[in-house]
Amino acid sequence: SQKIEQNSEALNIQEGKTATLTCNYTNYSPAYLQWYRQDPGRGPVFLLLIRENEKEKRKERLKVTFDTTLKQSLFHITASQPADSATYLCALDPAGSARQLTFGSGTQLTVLP
Amino acid sequence: DGGITQSPKYLFRKEGQNVTLSCEQNLNHDAMYWYRQDPGQGLRLIYYSQIVNDFQKGDIAEGYSVSREKKESFPLTVTSAQKNPTAFYLCASSMAGRDTGELFFGEGSRLTVL
Repeated sequence: SQKIEQNSEALNIQEGKTATLTCNYTNYSPAYLQWYRQDPGRGPVFLLLIRENEKEKRKERLKVTFDTTLKQSLFHITASQPADSATYLCALDPAGSARQLTFGSGTQLTVLP
Repeated sequence: DGGITQSPKYLFRKEGQNVTLSCEQNLNHDAMYWYRQDPGQGLRLIYYSQIVNDFQKGDIAEGYSVSREKKESFPLTVTSAQKNPTAFYLCASSMAGRDTGELFFGEGSRLTVL
């Protein structure tokens, strides 16, 4: 069966460091991979989308990589700030259609001042 | 500002009662979705609708019902048949069509069954 794993439920890092979150998947061939941010008690907010033929995508302090051979995506936040503390969700999409998105359970990131 | 509005934010229900969660969007999106989120689990799709007067079951539709009479509105009813309804419910929308899979979410409705 399809499975998505996001590294450890919680990740603590020091302010100014680079946070690296992992999304691994098995029995899946996503065409697209998305990352969302979710704050406590609120809905997720879309951050980045990367296609299967793209190796890397950047947006300001965010960087996403997508390795279809390793079946893994890495999500990096450089120069992290306490305001980056949130839960980050990865979502896999086999066909570019939102109705087929499969979400991971998320990684809770805490950036310590 | 364009967005998705869910109401109520918090809802308490006695066992055996049906409840309806509201979802309204002014983004002019064709597609709308309902997800359920439980602690330690990923979002799970309950129902989705790509056009007015049409909707499809998601992965966990049992015990839920929806309607799509207007493009802007996609209410979800949690029926008494849903065995474990306490959860955080999220409504989302997206532009229909390929390569536009980004979802826009509402702020969620937290349902607690007493």
